[in-house]
Amino acid sequence: RKEVEQDPGPFNVPEGATVAFNCTYSNSASQSFFWYRQDCRKEPKLLMSVYSSGNEDGRFTAQLNRASQYISLLIRDSKLSDSATYLCVTNGGFQKLVFGTGTRLLVSP
Amino acid sequence: DAGITQSPRYKITETGRQVTLMCHQTWSHSYMFWYRQDLGHGLRLIYYSAAADITDKGEVPDGYVVSRSKTENFPLTLESATRSQTSVYFCASRDHSSYEQYFGPGTRLTVT
Repeated sequence: RKEVEQDPGPFNVPEGATVAFNCTYSNSASQSFFWYRQDCRKEPKLLMSVYSSGNEDGRFTAQLNRASQYISLLIRDSKLSDSATYLCVTNGGFQKLVFGTGTRLLVSP
Repeated sequence: DAGITQSPRYKITETGRQVTLMCHQTWSHSYMFWYRQDLGHGLRLIYYSAAADITDKGEVPDGYVVSRSKTENFPLTLESATRSQTSVYFCASRDHSSYEQYFGPGTRLTVT
């Protein structure tokens, strides 16, 4: 079983739609959680950290459910520029991050 | 502020050749990482370093060598390149107080 699992998608949504991604993690000792965004052939970029109480950054909302070991990302009012792959990330062993393989989002006009 | 840079950005080499990928960061981050990214596998950690002269293996270290004589540089060497090492290589760094990592632009390596 992979340490971090995500639905690869793609999720095809029209502009203005709300879309949500989930990911599950297997290491119950994980303490830090992130969502990264990766555009085609580019480097991953930190989108947001995920805090226990949930957090929001503009149109993006991240939630953590420790009991069920999943995190989620909600994107409201999708823009064409949101089209990318979203990577779910947790801290793995000592000082390391573990990356999911990503969920692809395509926003169409 | 250059942040984190990698060179070369693209490299084609032949099987059996030695090749070195460079990574340089200007933030004075203590931690640096090397990943490879392949379809179906996502990002896999090759090596990481907690400080100058301290390095450790990641998930897929075989065939790779690293060094870190200076805090800002973390070169990755493929001692004898194989076709299976064709990949996109990303360097990343972070400081000691947070797990957030920041990535360089990547090196696309093709081994023929």
